[in-house]
Amino acid sequence: AQRVTQPEKLLSVFKGAPVELKCNYSYSGSPELFWYVQYSRQRLQLLLRHISRESIKGFTADLNKGETSFHLKKPFAQEEDSAMYYCALISSGSARQLTFGSGTQLTVLP
Amino acid sequence: KAGVTQTPRYLIKTRGQQVTLSCSPISGHRSVSWYQQTPGQGLQFLFEYFSETQRNKGNFPGRFSGRQFSNSRSEMNVSTLELGDSALYLCASSGSGTGNTEAFFGQGTRLTVV
Repeated sequence: AQRVTQPEKLLSVFKGAPVELKCNYSYSGSPELFWYVQYSRQRLQLLLRHISRESIKGFTADLNKGETSFHLKKPFAQEEDSAMYYCALISSGSARQLTFGSGTQLTVLP
Repeated sequence: KAGVTQTPRYLIKTRGQQVTLSCSPISGHRSVSWYQQTPGQGLQFLFEYFSETQRNKGNFPGRFSGRQFSNSRSEMNVSTLELGDSALYLCASSGSGTGNTEAFFGQGTRLTVV
């Protein structure tokens, strides 16, 4: 069975500090990994996915198949980054079933 | 283009009743998925519909059901409501094709069972 683990429920950093949100997954095939973000009073939205290998709002995430990890990183956190972050995976194939981690609430302090 | 629209936004029902939630996907999207979000269990997959067919189902009792219409709009129904069904129900739509895996979420329907 597929599983996504986000070990930190809450994470606080100061503005300008680096931030890393951890995500580990278990899946026997080749999953597609995502980070979704939910800002206060807004809908859940895609932040980035591993296949596009791009940086969004200064965030990057590298898929490490050996460690089965997909950690989200940003070198200099901003107050507007405060939000709930969910790591998720889709199994290979045509179905669109997302398996989510439990989420990490990031707070960037001034 | 218009985003995913869910109606109603809020619902209060009593135990034993049934409820129907509606989701209008982004125009052109044929895949619609439903998720239940609770503080204790987080985001859990309910089911996915594609071209009016249920393509995948999560681990929920048979009281939870859904359907999709020819215009891709989807409804989910919960019968014999229990207090534990109180949750935020999210709908997401996706495009077709192997590359279109991004899920676009609605704002959700907040269901409270009393």
